[in-house]
Amino acid sequence: DTGVSQDPRHKITKRGQNVTFRCDPISEHNRLYWYRQTLGQGPEFLTYFQNEAQLEKSRLLSDRFSAERPKGSFSTLEIQRTEQGDSAMYLCASSSVDTGLLIGELFFGEGSRLTVL
Amino acid sequence: GQNIDQPTEMTATEGAIVQINCTYQTSGFNGLFWYQQHAGEAPTFLSYNVLDGLEEKGRFSSFLSRSKGYSYLLLKELQMKDSASYLCAPNTGGFKTIFGAGTRLFVKA
Repeated sequence: DTGVSQDPRHKITKRGQNVTFRCDPISEHNRLYWYRQTLGQGPEFLTYFQNEAQLEKSRLLSDRFSAERPKGSFSTLEIQRTEQGDSAMYLCASSSVDTGLLIGELFFGEGSRLTVL
Repeated sequence: GQNIDQPTEMTATEGAIVQINCTYQTSGFNGLFWYQQHAGEAPTFLSYNVLDGLEEKGRFSSFLSRSKGYSYLLLKELQMKDSASYLCAPNTGGFKTIFGAGTRLFVKA
């Protein structure tokens, strides 16, 4: 298994542009999460999916953020009309209950770093 | 609301023992994770406690008191490679995990 992969690893864009990030979770992990992390802070929950269903979305997110997981495998996170405050590392994680824990631990990808100029 | 408190930074000496404390208040609770994050890297899983008490895993141990909303991570025989951020992360139910700001640990020779 190759782990969670994210693409692109780095993205520089101008304010007002749209950006899209892709996450490929560990195969057979049915839960997929998106977090955002800024320097010196812990990951901030954005949203999560169980299979293709988006079960929760943070109220901190504006309507400019949307995430999909159309076939219950890979996921995309789109940010429309980017703002400088969107500059952060966007982390994807996946989990499964099959590891023996009551709540499966999160396996994170390396992240997609967004810089909005 | 949700609140997680842990010290911002700690410094310890190689070979020593360090305890990183975490207090939390969450609307729901389904166990607490600790993750390690080296600078520039993704967080990696260290431990999970769902019942009160101590869980030991090699040099790392984690303790939970649900009634007090308190957990700690204990690192023994510190090594230079343990210099990292340690993230306290309660699961608030429904498979959602939230993270504290992290404690940055510096291990000095």
